[in-house]
Amino acid sequence: ERVMTQSPATLSVSPGERVTLSCRASHSVSTSLAWYQQKPGQAPRLLIYGASTRATGIPARFSGSGSGTDFTLTISSLQSEDFAVYYCQQYNTWPQITFGQGTRLEIK
Amino acid sequence: QLRLQESGPGLVKPSETLSLTCEVSGGSISTTIYYWGWIRQPPGKGLEWIGSIFYSGTTSYNPSLKSRATISADTSKTLISLKLTSLTAADTALYYCATMSVDSNTFDSWGQGTLLIVSS
Repeated sequence: ERVMTQSPATLSVSPGERVTLSCRASHSVSTSLAWYQQKPGQAPRLLIYGASTRATGIPARFSGSGSGTDFTLTISSLQSEDFAVYYCQQYNTWPQITFGQGTRLEIK
Repeated sequence: QLRLQESGPGLVKPSETLSLTCEVSGGSISTTIYYWGWIRQPPGKGLEWIGSIFYSGTTSYNPSLKSRATISADTSKTLISLKLTSLTAADTALYYCATMSVDSNTFDSWGQGTLLIVSS
């Protein structure tokens, strides 16, 4: 089983700042890694797949990188609407899928 | 545009069996461009994949559910169903239905979820 570990659990940042979220896999998942954003009371939204490809309609300030076991999601300049919980998900062991436990991005 | 709408009983007793449905509109569940999945989220916690069903009818499940889950598709009614047996309080969660793109193997369209509470 691929265990996905996200860090930190909570990140306090100010609007306009650049932020990097981390996701680490217990074993290599190649680039089979996705990122989701979830706002309170809403379903998750796909941001990134293939570790670095933005999903349709996702602003360019969101970028993903990494391969193997270490991945990052970077938001270049935080907007007020970006404060949310972010999850990574691996699908290297498709059809078996695992999510990370999430990182909460809160306003400083 | 594809829309997903989950529905369920809301409250069930421990040891009972849960039946949830996901009504699909704006597209066919027989499509070969999507798979269908169920994901749940306990209150205040993270996401857990429950299982998926593919256009061939093949299913795959999270081993942690220990064979308690069954996913099926009713193409005539455009419904994706989830049955979960031997419920405990740990099954209390918001249950989501979602499409999984065959190109990216990621969940790119989600329903709003249906809350299940397991309590006597």
